[in-house]
Order: sequence, then structure tokens, then C-alpha cells
Amino acid sequence: AQSVTQLDSHVSVSEGTPVLLRCNYSSSYSPSLFWYVQHPNKGLQLLLKYTSAATLVKGINGFEAEFKKSETSFHLTKPSAHMSDAAEYFCVVSDHNDYKLSFGAGTTVTVRA
Amino acid sequence: GAGVSQTPSNKVTEKGKYVELRCDPISGHTALYWYRQSLGQGPEFLIYFQGTGAADDSGLPNDRFFAVRPEGSVSTLKIQRTERGDSAVYLCASSSKGGRADEQFFGPGTRLTVL
Repeated sequence: AQSVTQLDSHVSVSEGTPVLLRCNYSSSYSPSLFWYVQHPNKGLQLLLKYTSAATLVKGINGFEAEFKKSETSFHLTKPSAHMSDAAEYFCVVSDHNDYKLSFGAGTTVTVRA
Repeated sequence: GAGVSQTPSNKVTEKGKYVELRCDPISGHTALYWYRQSLGQGPEFLIYFQGTGAADDSGLPNDRFFAVRPEGSVSTLKIQRTERGDSAVYLCASSSKGGRADEQFFGPGTRLTVL
């Protein structure tokens, strides 16, 4: 069975500074890994996904994540935070040939002006 | 184009009542999923449809929960004898085929409150 642990429940950054959201995963097989963002009163939106191709994955809105098998991590970063990045972020894993998504508990990002 | 829509956006009911939650997937998507998101947690898988059939209902918590997708498009999640613990946001998602890493597009959810 697969699972993810998001190491920070809340991250606060200043506008223009880097953002780091940490995620560790557990999976029995070659996992697919995703980051989703959820803005208030809006649906979950896919930021990026890893599916065993390049380990550095670029997503929308300047986000990227690096898959590190040795560390079982899939941390999300952005070099410069924008006010519009304030939202809830979920790290998600699915096992090989599995359609079921397993979500982490989420990280709330606050951006200070 | 239109995304996944869910109705109602909010539903308040009393303990013991029956509720139905509706999901309209993206047109042409054969795969449909239901998840439940309790307060302060990530969504949890409930059920997966491929076409009209429930391919995997292993996430349904008990037999009070049932879902249908009779024509392979719209789906309805049905909850009988609601309990206060059923209060959550119910999310629907659809994807084009349902395979590994197939992007799932989520609706805005239905917030269910059981008094």
C-alpha cells in the first residue's frame, strides 16, 4: 500500500522568496507522484506529475519537484513566491498500474506581502 | 471547455436522512472517481467507475454508501441513514481513460453537513 507524509502542515513565506514543501512517500512499486493545489472554494488542480521519466519535473506556475528514490522524497519548490500561491498543497502517490490516488494531509501556504 | 461539475455545492441534512450527490464529468471521460475530504485531511478514495460499472468500490466505508453511473456519464453518490461522521466534502473527478498516471480532473466538491 502506498502513502505520503507531508512534513509541514503550514508554511509561511514572504512574497518573492523561495518556497519549499516537503513530501516523503512510501510505495511498494514504482510510484507515480503528483502535487495538487487547492485554492479556497475551487477544485483541486494538478501542478505536476512524475511517472518514471525525468526525475526533475517542471509544472505550472513556476513550480518544480525532484524525485529522489534514495530518499523516498518528492519535494516541491518555487524560486519566488507570489501572493496568488497562497493555497493548500497536496502531495499524492499512486502505485504502479493504480488509479487510486493517496493524498497527504496537505500543507497550507501563506504568502506575506 | 466545461470542467467537472457537482451539485449541490452545499447540502445540510439531519441525522438519519437520505442524500444524493451528483457529479457531471468532463464530456468523453470514461473514468470517474469519488473521494471524501474530511476537515483538515487530504481526500480519500471511495469508488472508481470505468464506463457504467464500478471497477473498484473498496473505499466505500460501509453499506450505507452506494454510487451509480447508469449511462457512463453522470454519477450519483447515495448515502442512506446519514450520520454526523459523514459530514465532509465529497469530491468527484474524471479522467479520459483511467490508466496509470492519467490526470484526474476534480470538481469543486459538495460540502455535506449532517446535523
